[in-house]
Amino acid sequence: DIQMTQSPASLSASLEEIVTITCQASQDIGNWLAWYQQKPGKSPQLLIHSATSLADGIPSRFSGSRSGTQYSLKISRLQVEDTGIYYCLQRYSNPYTFGAGTKLELK
Amino acid sequence: EVQLVESGGGLVKPGSSLKLSCVASGFTFSSYGMHWIRQAPKKGLEWIALIYYDSSNKYYADSVKGRFTISRDNSKNTLYLEMNSLRSEDTAMYYCANWEYWGQGVMVTVSS
Repeated sequence: DIQMTQSPASLSASLEEIVTITCQASQDIGNWLAWYQQKPGKSPQLLIHSATSLADGIPSRFSGSRSGTQYSLKISRLQVEDTGIYYCLQRYSNPYTFGAGTKLELK
Repeated sequence: EVQLVESGGGLVKPGSSLKLSCVASGFTFSSYGMHWIRQAPKKGLEWIALIYYDSSNKYYADSVKGRFTISRDNSKNTLYLEMNSLRSEDTAMYYCANWEYWGQGVMVTVSS
């Protein structure tokens, strides 16, 4: 199974700050990587697909990048509504696996 | 507007069975592979099953293999998850999804 190691587990940042969350895949998954945001009591919302492509309706302050088997989600200017838990997902092969999540809070 | 609406959850005893449904609208359901994902209380996300658009292939996580069955009825735009031999560790919110869109989830609680 492909392991997705996500870091950090939690993060506290200020408004307008730049935030970066990372996932390391245990093997090559190409661009089969997605990022989701989950708010309390809600289902996950797709932010980024294919490692770098912004999902429909998602603000441009969100971006995804890839370097080898390391994937990053960047929020360029943190807003109040960006708090929540962020997950990466590898869709390269089943069993599809999620990172453990990053809880993002406002400082 | 895309909608995925799950139903069929509830409180059941260990060893029991339950069948979840997910009704899709707003997209061409019959063209998409569909997934079930679950989330135990205060825990992360766990993929548990995939069915191809035409039911030709089905895949399961080891944690549910042999106990859960995924199926679909494209004429009814509906995805199913039949769950047998339920255990306390199956307690979770169950979501259906096509990866882009997710339902609101349905809670399954397994407890004596």
